[in-house]
Amino acid sequence: NAGVTQTPKFQVLKTGQSMTLQCAQDMNHEYMSWYRQDPGMGLRLIHYSVGAGITDQGEVPNGYNVSRSTTEDFPLRLLSAAPSQTSVYFCASSSSGVQEQFFGPGTRLTVL
Amino acid sequence: AQSVTQLGSHVSVSEGALVLLRCNYSSSVPPYLFWYVQYPNQGLQLLLKYTSAATLVKGINGFEAEFKKSETSFHLTKPSAHMSDAAEYFCAVGGSNYKLTFGKGTLLTVNP
Repeated sequence: NAGVTQTPKFQVLKTGQSMTLQCAQDMNHEYMSWYRQDPGMGLRLIHYSVGAGITDQGEVPNGYNVSRSTTEDFPLRLLSAAPSQTSVYFCASSSSGVQEQFFGPGTRLTVL
Repeated sequence: AQSVTQLGSHVSVSEGALVLLRCNYSSSVPPYLFWYVQYPNQGLQLLLKYTSAATLVKGINGFEAEFKKSETSFHLTKPSAHMSDAAEYFCAVGGSNYKLTFGKGTLLTVNP
């Protein structure tokens, strides 16, 4: 099993550009989530999904969009990138909300 | 609502010394508690979890944590630090609402 995979590993954008961060898992997990990690802030939840077709907002959803058309994939879209979105983004999945979350390797995003 | 406070953003110990990383939580429901470790430029890896079974939880790499409801604490310990333990450690609390809330992290430095 590959576990949770994320692409790309690194990305540089200009202000106003849009892009999609990809996340996929092969563990048949129902629950998937996106976090951003900033120095001294820990991980903050952006959006999460409890199954295909079901998504909800986390702590810091503004400027991001998600959809969940399949169990395996959970892409994160930046609609119009801003320098404040410079961060490391982690995708995670779990078999249920009370079980451990498995994390991907992260995407380091820089917005100029 | 749930929250996590990690006391000390940076802890430094000597190799062979006791490691103690502090975590206090707030939760309106019986909590599920986790400790994750993050090595440089990597994703998060689960160290251990508490899910209402034994209050003393043993994890990987010789770490353990004790759930103390009266103190709302879940401190992480290891009797003897090793150089390879140098990393950032995150405490997280979850409930039945599929959301994990992370602390801001504690960076552990191990001195030779």
